[in-house]
Amino acid sequence: SQTIHQWPATLVQPVGSPLSLECTVEGTSNPNLYWYRQAAGRGLQLLFYSVGIGQISSEVPQNLSASRPQDRQFILSSKKLLLSDSGFYLCAWDSGSGNTIYFGEGSWLTVV
Amino acid sequence: QKEVEQNSGPLSVPEGAIASLNCTYSDRVSQSFFWYRQYSGKSPELIMSIYSNGDKEDGRFTAQLNKASQYVSLLIRDSQPSDSATYLCAGVNTDKLIFGTGTRLQVFP
Repeated sequence: SQTIHQWPATLVQPVGSPLSLECTVEGTSNPNLYWYRQAAGRGLQLLFYSVGIGQISSEVPQNLSASRPQDRQFILSSKKLLLSDSGFYLCAWDSGSGNTIYFGEGSWLTVV
Repeated sequence: QKEVEQNSGPLSVPEGAIASLNCTYSDRVSQSFFWYRQYSGKSPELIMSIYSNGDKEDGRFTAQLNKASQYVSLLIRDSQPSDSATYLCAGVNTDKLIFGTGTRLQVFP
């Protein structure tokens, strides 16, 4: 069966510090991968999605970036965090367009 | 119009009642629709998907899709306190899943 893991689960970072969140999927090949952010009391905002290695599409302008160095690995990064980057970050995957998306456990980021 | 819209709630229902959650979508959303449940502080988990007009039942849950009126609904029969959560509706727009902001459901004993 397929599983998705992301880490770290929780982190507190000072403004201006770098960020790296990592996500891996097991039990499938060539998944579509996604990074969503959910601010407190808000809906899910799609940040990035990837249909293959090295192929990243950005949905909103921001100081975050994403990379897909391997088929089942997706990384969310920032060189300098802003207070507004605080939120719940979710990695997700699906097996093709229009199919069910499955989420990782999420990462709580607090920028102080 | 937002692509997927939901009333934020909270929707409060007594235990044992039917909870009705609604979602409307724009012309930019089509094909497949999904309902996810999200407990506070946790990631969303899939409840049901629906692709065709009509009803789809799974246990206590029934999803309804009306493409002519552009709405999707989720009915929860015999609501339990453990059903208290935020319910997210999602639809597909150009191969990406777009979520509504969610409806918070509270089931009280």
